[in-house]
Amino acid sequence: SQTIHQWPATLVQPVGSPLSLECTVEGTSNPNLYWYRQAAGRGLQLLFYSVGIGQISSEVPQNLSASRPQDRQFILSSKKLLLSDSGFYLCAWSVAARVYGYTFGSGTRLTVV
Amino acid sequence: GQQVMQIPQYQHVQEGEDFTTYCNSSTTLSNIQWYKQRPGGHPVFLIQLVKSGEVKKQKRLTFQFGEAKKNSSLHITATQTTDVGTYFCAGRENYGQNFVFGPGTRLSVLP
Repeated sequence: SQTIHQWPATLVQPVGSPLSLECTVEGTSNPNLYWYRQAAGRGLQLLFYSVGIGQISSEVPQNLSASRPQDRQFILSSKKLLLSDSGFYLCAWSVAARVYGYTFGSGTRLTVV
Repeated sequence: GQQVMQIPQYQHVQEGEDFTTYCNSSTTLSNIQWYKQRPGGHPVFLIQLVKSGEVKKQKRLTFQFGEAKKNSSLHITATQTTDVGTYFCAGRENYGQNFVFGPGTRLSVLP
């Protein structure tokens, strides 16, 4: 069966520090991968998605970047965190979102202080 | 761009009461999905609607897609404490690459 791993679960980082969040998927090949951000009490904002290795589409210009070095690995990064980067970051995968929807990881709660 | 709205933002109900959340899109949708996020958890896919006027049921949950495919609703009959969470709709336009999520409706159920 397919599983998605996302870590760390919580993270407190100072302003100006770098960020690296990792997400891996098991049990499927060539998944579509996504990074979402959820501000406190808010909806889900799509940040990046990838349909293949090295292919990254950005939905919102911002202080973050994404990379997909391997088929089932998706990384969210920042060189210098801002206070406004705080939030709940969710990785998700799909093979046919139009049919089966998205499967989300357990998320990383990032607090920038 | 495409916008998806949900009302109400919050809903508090007594256990046993019914609950409905409404989802409205600024554009016509190809399909719509619903997700549930428990407090402290991640969104979990519930269902997808594709056809105009479609109605689907999952036990006490009834999902409906509007005739014009611009709105949808989720109705829960006789709520239970296990229904607590935030319910999101997500809509995709005909040629859209991805689904756009609504802001969600947070449901509280008082025992």
